[in-house]
Amino acid sequence: NAGVTQTPKFQVLKTGQSMTLQCAQDMNHEYMSWYRQDPGMGLRLIHYSVGAGITDQGEVPNGYNVSRSTTEDFPLRLLSAAPSQTSVYFCASSMTGGGGTEAFFGQGTRLTVV
Amino acid sequence: GENVEQHPSTLSVQEGDSAVIKCTYSDSASNYFPWYKQELGKRPQLIIDIRSNVGEKKDQRIAVTLNKTAKHFSLHITETQPEDSAVYFCAASNTGFQKLVFGTGTRLLVSP
Repeated sequence: NAGVTQTPKFQVLKTGQSMTLQCAQDMNHEYMSWYRQDPGMGLRLIHYSVGAGITDQGEVPNGYNVSRSTTEDFPLRLLSAAPSQTSVYFCASSMTGGGGTEAFFGQGTRLTVV
Repeated sequence: GENVEQHPSTLSVQEGDSAVIKCTYSDSASNYFPWYKQELGKRPQLIIDIRSNVGEKKDQRIAVTLNKTAKHFSLHITETQPEDSAVYFCAASNTGFQKLVFGTGTRLLVSP
């Protein structure tokens, strides 16, 4: 049971390049989400999904795309990288259902856009 | 939408002292309030959570209190140890929407 796995761990992009951050979970969680973490700003929600085929925007969705074709995978695409997207990105998953449930985070991807 | 404010941003205590971190939320429909601990270079991990039908919850040296009327909740750590040094995040969600909104974090430093 690997939990939530993100790849890559580190990435350097040039302005204007595109790339996909990968996220996979093996816990059969329905809910998956992407956050970015910047100094002094906590974790901000980019996009989330409540199940395969269903995605929605979070607080800071501009410049990012997501899709959820399977329960296990939730990739995050940067369409045209900008220096403002330099950040640490975390994917998380949790069970859905009433009452609130623990979110399990991946190990993070540190992205630098130059 | 929901907005979560967290204070203080940094907190320094001596080993053995207590530490208190406070958060306020704006959406009265929020009903799930977790706390996450993030060690340097690591992923956030849940340490304790509370639901809106409970006023207080304890787990060994950590406790969380919730005041729904005032819309604030707090994390209490007693008998702090150097390994408690980390960044702590509070969060809130309306479980109907399954979206966690995080506070900006508190860096706790416990000195021996």
